[in-house]
Amino acid sequence: EVQLVESGGGLVQPGRSMKLSCAASGFTFNNYDMAWVCQAPKKGLEWVATISYDGSSTYYRDSVKGRFTISRDNAKSTLYLQMDSLRSEDTATYYCARFALIAANYWGQGVMVTVSS
Amino acid sequence: DIQMTQSPASLSASLGETVTIQCQASEDIYSGLAWYQQKPGKSPQLLIYGASSLQDGVPSRFSGSGSGTQYSLKISSMQTEDEGVYFCQQGLKYPLTFGSGTKLEIK
Repeated sequence: EVQLVESGGGLVQPGRSMKLSCAASGFTFNNYDMAWVCQAPKKGLEWVATISYDGSSTYYRDSVKGRFTISRDNAKSTLYLQMDSLRSEDTATYYCARFALIAANYWGQGVMVTVSS
Repeated sequence: DIQMTQSPASLSASLGETVTIQCQASEDIYSGLAWYQQKPGKSPQLLIYGASSLQDGVPSRFSGSGSGTQYSLKISSMQTEDEGVYFCQQGLKYPLTFGSGTKLEIK
């Protein structure tokens, strides 16, 4: 059974950093591109970043470029999102997602990140 | 960026009714479209990919169609468990973009 379990969320002050993790199991992790997708409270879905199956390519939405870093450890089957210089508008639930054929066919349960003083 | 315009924003349907949700891309996305369902407090679930391919385990009353810039999701016979919010997403180009969502309720 495919499982994606996020961790590392919580309350953080503006300007500070936070690192999210996503532990994957039930599939061959290094065969799939992975992504982070966020959802602000009562809002829609927003793609944040994608990393290729081997980590060689990364893509980011403009609003997080230079502040967020997506990475992966294929030996540990774990995806990461390092978030620096956090802003109040980064407040959201962050989902880890496995991508195949342009769509996210598995999602984690999500982890809440609240940026507030 | 490719903009995804989804309509309607909300609708209510009776049990057994056919429901259609539309999604328009700001440019040709060559069937690089997916549909998701999200229930309150839950993660999104993939329904359709490649505009018309049904994800494993998704009931056959769900179907997707379209090409170019115009796409639609059809639920052929509304069930109570189909209540939720539906999102389209283009996967042709980065940044990946989602529609704003359609809230579907039972009438």
